[in-house]
Amino acid sequence: GENVEQHPSTLSVQEGDSAVIKCTYSDSASNYFPWYKQELGKGPQLIIDIRSNVGEKKDQRIAVTLNKTAKHFSLHITETQPEDSAVYFCAASMGNQFYFGTGTSLTVIP
Amino acid sequence: DAGVIQSPRHEVTEMGQEVTLRCKPISGHDYLFWYRQTMMRGLELLIYFNNNVPIDDSGMPEDRFSAKMPNASFSTLKIQPSEPRDSAVYFCASSFRQNNEQFFGPGTRLTVL
Repeated sequence: GENVEQHPSTLSVQEGDSAVIKCTYSDSASNYFPWYKQELGKGPQLIIDIRSNVGEKKDQRIAVTLNKTAKHFSLHITETQPEDSAVYFCAASMGNQFYFGTGTSLTVIP
Repeated sequence: DAGVIQSPRHEVTEMGQEVTLRCKPISGHDYLFWYRQTMMRGLELLIYFNNNVPIDDSGMPEDRFSAKMPNASFSTLKIQPSEPRDSAVYFCASSFRQNNEQFFGPGTRLTVL
């Protein structure tokens, strides 16, 4: 099956700085890569996703890049705010099943 | 739509007892997923259904776990008998068609004493 690795496991940034989270996947058949944000006591919520026919996607302060050759994709958050503090999960999918990374706990320091 | 609904939100039980977790997916979604989340193992897929039919239950840890989806608007995950190592947060998620966003419920925090 697919194997998704996510780094770093924890990340602290000053408010206003950028944050980058990186994931790698093993199966070249994976073609859908969602990113989820999980706040304390809540379920994961999709913040952005990208499909394999696209190299980059942006939504306001959030962007995702995908390098199919190297099999890695990254989440970029610019101008971070305290409300961005949460756990972020990447995932890879080639069909119905999502393979999740182990999560990154992001802390934005005011 | 109210989103994916799970009940109960919290469950505390004693070892050996039967536990039933419930999920109502988003109306119109044809896929339903059950996940377990722990600090040690992260998010694990237990089982998923397509049009009420179980497709892949390879993630179900053992025979003590069972899941059903009697209709398009209801699913249950049952643990019988429960053990302390089953303590975790259990999430239900649903999606429309394959390879699309999965919408997660708020989860059920299960504690087995």
